[in-house]
Amino acid sequence: AQSVTQPDIHITVSEGASLELRCNYSYGATPYLFWYVQSPGQGLQLLLKYFSGDTLVQGIKGFEAEFKRSQSSFNLRKPSVHWSDAAEYFCAVQTGANNLFFGTGTRLTVIP
Amino acid sequence: EPEVTQTPSHQVTQMGQEVILRCVPISNHLYFYWYRQILGQKVEFLVSFYNNEISEKSEIFDDQFSVERPDGSNFTLKIRSTKLEDSAMYFCAGTLGRDTQYFGPGTRLTVL
Repeated sequence: AQSVTQPDIHITVSEGASLELRCNYSYGATPYLFWYVQSPGQGLQLLLKYFSGDTLVQGIKGFEAEFKRSQSSFNLRKPSVHWSDAAEYFCAVQTGANNLFFGTGTRLTVIP
Repeated sequence: EPEVTQTPSHQVTQMGQEVILRCVPISNHLYFYWYRQILGQKVEFLVSFYNNEISEKSEIFDDQFSVERPDGSNFTLKIRSTKLEDSAMYFCAGTLGRDTQYFGPGTRLTVL
């Protein structure tokens, strides 16, 4: 069965600092992996996705993620965080039936 | 850029009442989904829908739930007799195939 683990429930970083949000997945086949961001009271916005090919994928808002099959990880990174990045971040794996299975999310707080 | 819309944005209902949540997916999408997010928890898959029938459903999607696409445009989720634990944010999503799912802004359902 598939699972997604986001070990960090809450992360606080200073504006301008680098960021890494962790995601580990368990899925029997080649995974399709996603990062979504949710601002308070808003819907889910796609940041980036990995289907195949280059394991380092670029997304919107300066985010990137690296797929590491050996570690079953798909960590999200940003070199310099902006105050507007404060939000909840969800990692998800797409199953063979096309459904998305989400992690529990990481809440990012950005301090000035 | 086309987007998924959902109405209403907030629905308040009494326990035992029926509610219908509406979604208008992106016009060329073929696969449709409902997810829910209980406050403070992760996003959970409810049901997927393709070619006018349910493709897959989770254990959450019991006999109280139903979906339909009555007119080729709207995609609805009906809860026949709401319970307190149905209070959640409900998200509609759509996709062309095994690709990125585009989410609507959600409907917040409050059951009193």
